[in-house]
Amino acid sequence: GAVVSQHPSRVICKSGTSVKIECRSLDFQATTMFWYRQFPKQSLMLMATSNEGSKATYEQGVEKDKFLINHASLTLSTLTVTSAHPEDSSFYICSARGLAGPSSYNEQFFGPGTRLTVL
Amino acid sequence: KNQVEQSPQSLIILEGKNCTLQCNYTVSPFSNLRWYKQDTGRGPVSLTIMTFSENTKSNGRYTATLDADTKQSSLHITASQLSDSASYICVVRHFKAAGNKLTFGGGTRVLVKP
Repeated sequence: GAVVSQHPSRVICKSGTSVKIECRSLDFQATTMFWYRQFPKQSLMLMATSNEGSKATYEQGVEKDKFLINHASLTLSTLTVTSAHPEDSSFYICSARGLAGPSSYNEQFFGPGTRLTVL
Repeated sequence: KNQVEQSPQSLIILEGKNCTLQCNYTVSPFSNLRWYKQDTGRGPVSLTIMTFSENTKSNGRYTATLDADTKQSSLHITASQLSDSASYICVVRHFKAAGNKLTFGGGTRVLVKP
């Protein structure tokens, strides 16, 4: 299957700082990338959807000025958590969809996730 | 409201035994249904994907079934292994015209004990 990587896998930062998480599709072109957040023992919650070269579409309740998303190329999207606070501590997972896998499935491939801890 | 409900929330099984996880959904019309395995601290990994016309699909010791009439799916794990301990998530993709979105179930946490 197609591979999606995330970097870093873990990050610990002080409250008030900004953190950037990278998501890369390694062997296919991702026309659409998704960012999810997952709290302990809960399922994934979609934060935003981004198409290459255009602005991201944020889900209701997600602050676009706090969670900056850039999808500058077909293989890279970044999520920047600005002025992070302890309540932003979570597991962030990206997903990519594009020209990979059987077209009938329109499959999304998930990254391994990034654990963010804000002190 | 489009929902995906999974049961049980968690279960403990002995190594070597079989188990079946359930998924009921109300998403309609839907494009496909997939089961993912998520190890703790990792991203979801696809196990099976089925369109509405497919009734069963296997991936090694994992077998998924789909009944599009009753809007139910199941994931059967055969001869469980310790490495099967994980969360299993049922995800339904909405039909393209309805936005192509994914609706996630809450997951079933499986613990396999020796």
